[in-house]
Amino acid sequence: DSGVTQTPKHLITATGQRVTLRCSPRSGDLSVYWYQQSLDQGLQFLIQYYNGEERAKGNILERFSAQQFPDLHSELNLSSLELGDSALYFCASSVAGTSGFLTDTQYFGPGTRLTVL
Amino acid sequence: GENVEQHPSTLSVQEGDSAVIKCTYSDSASNYFPWYKQELGKRPQLIIDIRSNVGEKKDQRIAVTLNKTAKHFSLHITETQPEDSAVYFCAASPIGGFKTIFGAGTRLFVKA
Repeated sequence: DSGVTQTPKHLITATGQRVTLRCSPRSGDLSVYWYQQSLDQGLQFLIQYYNGEERAKGNILERFSAQQFPDLHSELNLSSLELGDSALYFCASSVAGTSGFLTDTQYFGPGTRLTVL
Repeated sequence: GENVEQHPSTLSVQEGDSAVIKCTYSDSASNYFPWYKQELGKRPQLIIDIRSNVGEKKDQRIAVTLNKTAKHFSLHITETQPEDSAVYFCAASPIGGFKTIFGAGTRLFVKA
């Protein structure tokens, strides 16, 4: 158990719908990262937040948005869902994500499996 | 943009043999290189990492080497066992650590 929690574990919805995925980082971690992993694919970086602020953006679609709240939990919102959005969505957290040799080890949550029908 | 190339994409070895997975990164500012193991349907889990001020690190049957000049780093698994079968991801994190870049993954099969 990494200490990162994600809810829900599974989500089944229809095309055109909107869903929210939730992530709670490890205690003390300030950075939260979101990744999408389609079947038999690698980890596609979506977005990173650090202490409530967006820090880095990857290949995140305009239909997707995220935020990190004052208590450091994060939510990933996916709207106008398409069949191709079906994937495992992982959240990871790390202590910092700041300069120097501070550890930036990312610890992954168990993921949310999204199925769009 | 910055990227990390990982080879091979698939690796099949006999139990007891060694396995080597290689990665090349492009961002010369990278200073932290973790390796993750992902079993089917599970989360990626950190198995070993190395920082740019170290050339090699070993943990039991797993070792990682880093050549900063060539921008190469490699994962070595000795005496492989069937439970080593999984997908392995390398990653490179630049100074500032704001965006860790992952390789595409290597699917390792260890045949009993």
